[in-house]
Amino acid sequence: QVHLVESGGGVVQPGRSLRLSCAASGFIFSDYGMHWVRQAPGKGLQWVAIVWYGGSHQFYADSVKGRFTISRDNSKNMLYLEMNSLRVEDTAVYYCARGHGGNSVFDYWGQGALVTVSS
Amino acid sequence: EIVMTQSPATLSVSPRQRVTLSCRASQSVANDLAWYQQKPGQVPRLLIYAASTRATGIPARFSGGGSGTLFTLTISSLQSEDFAIYYCQHYNSWPVTFGGGTKVEI
Repeated sequence: QVHLVESGGGVVQPGRSLRLSCAASGFIFSDYGMHWVRQAPGKGLQWVAIVWYGGSHQFYADSVKGRFTISRDNSKNMLYLEMNSLRVEDTAVYYCARGHGGNSVFDYWGQGALVTVSS
Repeated sequence: EIVMTQSPATLSVSPRQRVTLSCRASQSVANDLAWYQQKPGQVPRLLIYAASTRATGIPARFSGGGSGTLFTLTISSLQSEDFAIYYCQHYNSWPVTFGGGTKVEI
């Protein structure tokens, strides 16, 4: 049974940093691209970043490029999102999600981690 | 980036009614289109991918259609548990983007 569990959310001031983690289980983690998707309060879904199987290739949404870093540790079945220079508009629930079949279709989602950026 | 537009924003329907939601892409995405359902306080759930393939465990009353720039999600007979927000998403190019959602309410 696939499980994705995020941690590391919280309240942070603008300009500060935060690191999210996602623990994966129930599948061969290194066989899948992994994503972060976010949802601002009361708003729709926004894709944030992808890291491919071995971790050497990543891609980002323009809104976070240069500020966020996605990474993975396949030996620990862990996914990470390092968020720097946080802005108020980064406030959202951040979901880790598994990519289905080599595509960027999100077939399993974690429960989400709330990140609130506020002074 | 490709803009995904969903219509209508809100749909008021009755149980057992047939419902069709629309999703339009600003340029062709071939059949690289997925649909998700999100109930209040819950995580999004994958319903359809490749425009018309139901995900594992999704009831047959959900069906997807279309290709290129225009897509539909049809619920053949709406059940009480189907009241939710539905999002379309393309994955044809980077960045992948979602539509703004259609809320299906009573």
